[in-house]
Amino acid sequence: GENVEQHPSTLSVQEGDSAVIKCTYSDSASNYFPWYKQELGKRPQLIIDIRSNVGEKKDQRIAVTLNKTAKHFSLHITETQPEDSAVYFCAAKIQGAQKLVFGQGTRLTINP
Amino acid sequence: DTAVSQTPKYLVTQMGNDKSIKCEQNLGHDTMYWYKQDSKKFLKIMFSYNNKELIINETVPNRFSPKSPDKAHLNLHINSLELGDSAVYFCASRGQDEQFFGPGTRLTVL
Repeated sequence: GENVEQHPSTLSVQEGDSAVIKCTYSDSASNYFPWYKQELGKRPQLIIDIRSNVGEKKDQRIAVTLNKTAKHFSLHITETQPEDSAVYFCAAKIQGAQKLVFGQGTRLTINP
Repeated sequence: DTAVSQTPKYLVTQMGNDKSIKCEQNLGHDTMYWYKQDSKKFLKIMFSYNNKELIINETVPNRFSPKSPDKAHLNLHINSLELGDSAVYFCASRGQDEQFFGPGTRLTVL
């Protein structure tokens, strides 16, 4: 079955700097890769996703890159702000499968 | 309009009791899920239903029994609660691939 590894588990950056979170997946049949943001006490919310036919996707300060050959994908947050502080989860879904497999989560702290 | 809703938001109960959590989605999706999130924040899938039929059961103890009266609802009943059941339980609903989570139910077993 699919396995998703996420690094780092914690990340602390200065406000205004960039943050990068990386995930690797095991099953080459995976074709959908979402990222979720979970603020303290709140639900996980989808912030960006990418499909296997695309190498990069951007939405304002957030971007995701996918390397299918290496089986890894990354979340990039530029010009970080205090409200970016949260736990971020990556996930992968095998084509035709019914479930997402989540990474272990990264606690991102933005220092003012 | 809340897309995925859960009740109750908080549940505090004694060991050995039986409790239920309800979930409803108004997105018209066929597939719904229950996840358990423990204190380390890991999201662990428990069950999935597609159009009222169980399609995923991730080796969850028999004390947990999901029920889907229709495709817009997926409830979770837990018998004989144990201390280790304390966690946040999230319901989710899936469209084509995207999953949308409910607000969560924080269960505390004393």
